[in-house]
Amino acid sequence: AQKVTQAQTEISVVEKEDVTLDCVYETRDTTYYLFWYKQPPSGELVFLIRRNSFDEQNEISGRYSWNFQKSTSSFNFTITASQVVDSAVYFCALSDNTNAGKSTFGDGTTLTVKP
Amino acid sequence: EPEVTQTPSHQVTQMGQEVILRCVPISNHLYFYWYRQILGQKVEFLVSFYNNEISEKSEIFDDQFSVERPDGSNFTLKIRSTKLEDSAMYFCASTQAGTGGSSLYGYTFGSGTRLTVV
Repeated sequence: AQKVTQAQTEISVVEKEDVTLDCVYETRDTTYYLFWYKQPPSGELVFLIRRNSFDEQNEISGRYSWNFQKSTSSFNFTITASQVVDSAVYFCALSDNTNAGKSTFGDGTTLTVKP
Repeated sequence: EPEVTQTPSHQVTQMGQEVILRCVPISNHLYFYWYRQILGQKVEFLVSFYNNEISEKSEIFDDQFSVERPDGSNFTLKIRSTKLEDSAMYFCASTQAGTGGSSLYGYTFGSGTRLTVV
Protein backbone atom coordinates (compact mmCIF):
# COMPACT_ATOMS: atom_id res chain seq x y z
CA ALA A 1 0.00 0.00 0.00
CA GLN A 2 1.14 3.51 -0.71
CA LYS A 3 1.45 6.14 1.95
CA VAL A 4 2.45 9.79 2.04
CA THR A 5 3.41 11.52 5.25
CA GLN A 6 3.60 15.26 5.63
CA ALA A 7 4.70 15.56 9.21
CA GLN A 8 4.42 19.34 9.34
CA THR A 9 0.77 20.18 9.86
CA GLU A 10 1.32 23.94 9.97
CA ILE A 11 4.27 26.19 9.29
CA SER A 12 4.43 29.91 9.83
CA VAL A 13 7.20 32.08 8.45
CA VAL A 14 7.84 35.74 7.90
CA GLU A 15 8.00 37.05 4.36
CA LYS A 16 11.35 36.58 2.62
CA GLU A 17 12.29 33.60 4.74
CA ASP A 18 13.05 30.30 3.02
CA VAL A 19 10.82 27.41 3.99
CA THR A 20 11.01 23.68 3.31
CA LEU A 21 7.98 21.43 3.32
CA ASP A 22 8.74 17.80 4.02
CA CYS A 23 7.24 14.80 2.29
CA VAL A 24 8.08 11.18 3.04
CA TYR A 25 6.50 8.38 1.09
CA GLU A 26 6.16 4.62 1.20
CA THR A 27 5.67 2.37 -1.78
CA ARG A 28 6.66 -1.09 -2.93
CA ASP A 29 6.68 -0.02 -6.55
CA THR A 30 10.01 0.47 -8.26
CA THR A 31 8.56 3.02 -10.64
CA TYR A 32 6.24 5.69 -9.35
CA TYR A 33 5.37 9.37 -9.52
CA LEU A 34 5.52 12.09 -6.89
CA PHE A 35 3.62 15.34 -6.98
CA TRP A 36 3.20 18.60 -5.20
CA TYR A 37 -0.01 20.61 -5.29
CA LYS A 38 -0.94 24.00 -3.89
CA GLN A 39 -4.39 24.82 -2.51
CA PRO A 40 -4.71 28.54 -1.82
CA PRO A 41 -7.45 29.92 0.46
CA SER A 42 -9.74 30.24 -2.56
CA GLY A 43 -9.88 26.44 -2.62
CA GLU A 44 -8.73 25.41 -6.07
CA LEU A 45 -5.97 22.85 -6.58
CA VAL A 46 -2.91 23.93 -8.47
CA PHE A 47 -0.53 21.36 -9.88
CA LEU A 48 3.10 22.28 -9.19
CA ILE A 49 5.25 19.36 -10.24
CA ARG A 50 5.33 15.68 -11.16
CA ARG A 51 8.53 13.72 -10.65
CA ASN A 52 9.30 10.26 -12.03
CA SER A 53 11.02 7.91 -9.63
CA PHE A 54 13.82 7.17 -12.07
CA ASP A 55 14.73 10.84 -12.38
CA GLU A 56 16.45 11.98 -9.22
CA GLN A 57 17.57 15.29 -10.58
CA ASN A 58 16.44 18.19 -8.47
CA GLU A 59 14.08 20.66 -10.07
CA ILE A 60 14.00 24.42 -9.78
CA SER A 61 11.26 26.69 -11.02
CA GLY A 62 11.65 30.29 -10.00
CA ARG A 63 11.48 30.47 -6.21
CA TYR A 64 10.39 26.84 -5.98
CA SER A 65 12.75 23.89 -5.79
CA TRP A 66 12.25 20.22 -5.14
CA ASN A 67 14.70 17.76 -3.65
CA PHE A 68 14.03 14.13 -4.43
CA GLN A 69 16.02 11.58 -2.45
CA LYS A 70 15.16 7.99 -3.17
CA SER A 71 17.48 6.73 -0.42
CA THR A 72 15.36 8.40 2.24
CA SER A 73 12.04 8.20 0.34
CA SER A 74 11.63 11.92 0.53
CA PHE A 75 10.47 14.59 -1.89
CA ASN A 76 10.87 17.92 -0.16
CA PHE A 77 9.71 21.27 -1.45
CA THR A 78 11.51 24.52 -0.74
CA ILE A 79 10.19 28.01 -1.30
CA THR A 80 12.92 30.61 -1.39
CA ALA A 81 12.21 34.16 -0.29
CA SER A 82 8.61 33.36 0.64
CA GLN A 83 5.82 35.79 -0.12
CA VAL A 84 2.40 36.31 1.40
CA VAL A 85 0.84 34.86 -1.76
CA ASP A 86 2.57 31.57 -0.98
CA SER A 87 0.19 31.10 1.95
CA ALA A 88 -1.74 27.94 1.14
CA VAL A 89 -2.11 24.28 1.93
CA TYR A 90 0.47 22.21 0.11
CA PHE A 91 -0.16 18.57 -0.67
CA CYS A 92 2.39 15.95 -1.60
CA ALA A 93 1.06 12.94 -3.52
CA LEU A 94 2.25 9.59 -4.84
CA SER A 95 1.03 7.34 -7.63
CA ASP A 96 2.20 4.19 -9.33
CA ASN A 97 3.46 4.15 -12.88
CA THR A 98 0.34 2.63 -14.42
CA ASN A 99 -1.92 5.57 -13.69
CA ALA A 100 -0.20 8.77 -12.66
CA GLY A 101 -3.50 10.43 -11.84
CA LYS A 102 -4.48 7.82 -9.29
CA SER A 103 -2.68 9.51 -6.48
CA THR A 104 -2.47 8.97 -2.76
CA PHE A 105 -2.31 12.37 -1.09
CA GLY A 106 -0.69 13.42 2.13
CA ASP A 107 -2.66 15.29 4.75
CA GLY A 108 -1.20 18.59 3.62
CA THR A 109 0.91 21.29 5.23
CA THR A 110 -0.65 24.67 5.89
CA LEU A 111 1.88 27.38 5.18
CA THR A 112 1.25 30.86 6.48
CA VAL A 113 3.57 33.62 5.31
CA LYS A 114 3.27 36.76 7.41
CA PRO A 115 4.20 40.18 6.08
CA GLU B 1 -4.42 30.02 -20.55
CA PRO B 2 -6.68 26.97 -21.03
CA GLU B 3 -8.87 26.10 -18.08
CA VAL B 4 -10.86 23.21 -16.75
CA THR B 5 -14.35 24.51 -16.05
CA GLN B 6 -16.60 23.01 -13.41
CA THR B 7 -20.25 23.75 -12.84
CA PRO B 8 -21.96 24.47 -10.59
CA SER B 9 -19.56 25.96 -8.09
CA HIS B 10 -21.87 25.02 -5.24
CA GLN B 11 -24.77 22.60 -5.15
CA VAL B 12 -27.07 21.82 -2.27
CA THR B 13 -29.14 18.68 -2.55
CA GLN B 14 -31.38 16.60 -0.37
CA MET B 15 -30.25 13.19 0.77
CA GLY B 16 -31.34 10.53 -1.67
CA GLN B 17 -31.42 12.86 -4.66
CA GLU B 18 -29.33 12.41 -7.77
CA VAL B 19 -26.74 15.02 -8.65
CA ILE B 20 -24.66 15.56 -11.74
CA LEU B 21 -21.44 17.49 -11.50
CA ARG B 22 -20.17 18.87 -14.75
CA CYS B 23 -16.69 19.48 -16.04
CA VAL B 24 -15.30 20.75 -19.31
CA PRO B 25 -11.69 19.58 -19.59
CA ILE B 26 -9.09 21.24 -21.76
CA SER B 27 -9.86 20.37 -25.34
CA ASN B 28 -6.69 18.52 -26.34
CA HIS B 29 -6.39 16.60 -23.09
CA LEU B 30 -6.92 12.87 -23.17
CA TYR B 31 -7.02 11.78 -19.53
CA PHE B 32 -9.69 12.89 -17.10
CA TYR B 33 -10.08 12.50 -13.38
CA TRP B 34 -12.39 13.16 -10.50
CA TYR B 35 -11.18 13.72 -6.96
CA ARG B 36 -12.98 14.69 -3.82
CA GLN B 37 -11.96 16.53 -0.69
CA ILE B 38 -14.08 16.35 2.42
CA LEU B 39 -13.84 19.67 4.24
CA GLY B 40 -10.52 20.02 6.03
CA GLN B 41 -9.26 16.64 4.89
CA LYS B 42 -6.93 15.28 2.27
CA VAL B 43 -7.73 14.97 -1.41
CA GLU B 44 -8.89 11.52 -2.52
CA PHE B 45 -8.80 9.99 -5.97
CA LEU B 46 -12.17 8.79 -7.26
CA VAL B 47 -11.82 7.76 -10.88
CA SER B 48 -9.77 8.13 -14.03
CA PHE B 49 -11.18 8.08 -17.54
CA TYR B 50 -9.43 7.53 -20.84
CA ASN B 51 -10.57 6.59 -24.32
CA ASN B 52 -14.21 6.82 -23.30
CA GLU B 53 -14.01 4.39 -20.46
CA ILE B 54 -13.02 4.19 -16.84
CA SER B 55 -9.36 3.24 -16.56
CA GLU B 56 -9.31 2.98 -12.80
CA LYS B 57 -11.48 3.72 -9.80
CA SER B 58 -11.01 3.83 -6.06
CA GLU B 59 -12.91 2.02 -3.33
CA ILE B 60 -14.90 5.20 -2.79
CA PHE B 61 -16.27 5.02 -6.33
CA ASP B 62 -19.02 2.49 -5.69
CA ASP B 63 -22.17 1.74 -7.65
CA GLN B 64 -23.69 5.07 -6.63
CA PHE B 65 -21.13 6.87 -8.77
CA SER B 66 -20.81 6.99 -12.52
CA VAL B 67 -18.93 9.08 -15.04
CA GLU B 68 -19.67 9.97 -18.60
CA ARG B 69 -18.27 11.93 -21.48
CA PRO B 70 -21.51 12.34 -23.37
CA ASP B 71 -20.52 14.72 -26.14
CA GLY B 72 -16.76 14.79 -26.45
CA SER B 73 -16.39 17.94 -24.39
CA ASN B 74 -18.26 17.52 -21.11
CA PHE B 75 -17.13 15.08 -18.45
CA THR B 76 -19.73 14.40 -15.80
CA LEU B 77 -19.82 12.75 -12.41
CA LYS B 78 -23.20 11.43 -11.31
CA ILE B 79 -24.10 10.42 -7.80
CA ARG B 80 -27.34 8.47 -7.97
CA SER B 81 -28.60 8.67 -4.42
CA THR B 82 -26.66 11.14 -2.36
CA LYS B 83 -25.75 10.51 1.26
CA LEU B 84 -24.73 12.99 3.90
CA GLU B 85 -21.16 11.70 3.69
CA ASP B 86 -20.99 12.66 0.02
CA SER B 87 -20.75 16.28 1.10
CA ALA B 88 -17.36 17.41 -0.16
CA MET B 89 -15.54 19.48 -2.73
CA TYR B 90 -15.30 17.59 -6.01
CA PHE B 91 -12.47 18.41 -8.36
CA CYS B 92 -12.18 17.52 -12.01
CA ALA B 93 -8.74 17.37 -13.63
CA SER B 94 -7.37 16.65 -17.04
CA THR B 95 -4.00 16.04 -18.63
CA GLN B 96 -2.70 15.50 -22.10
CA ALA B 97 -0.36 12.66 -21.25
CA GLY B 98 -1.02 10.04 -18.61
CA THR B 99 2.50 9.36 -17.54
CA GLY B 100 4.78 11.24 -19.88
CA GLY B 101 5.54 14.84 -20.57
CA SER B 102 7.48 17.53 -18.79
CA SER B 103 7.47 17.39 -15.04
CA LEU B 104 6.32 20.98 -14.67
CA TYR B 105 3.34 20.73 -16.98
CA GLY B 106 0.61 18.26 -16.57
CA TYR B 107 -2.54 18.24 -14.58
CA THR B 108 -5.00 21.08 -14.74
CA PHE B 109 -7.69 21.16 -12.10
CA GLY B 110 -11.02 22.90 -12.14
CA SER B 111 -12.06 25.20 -9.33
CA GLY B 112 -14.22 22.50 -7.83
CA THR B 113 -17.88 21.96 -7.02
CA ARG B 114 -18.83 22.15 -3.39
CA LEU B 115 -21.57 19.57 -2.84
CA THR B 116 -23.65 19.88 0.30
CA VAL B 117 -26.07 17.07 1.07
CA VAL B 118 -28.74 17.97 3.62
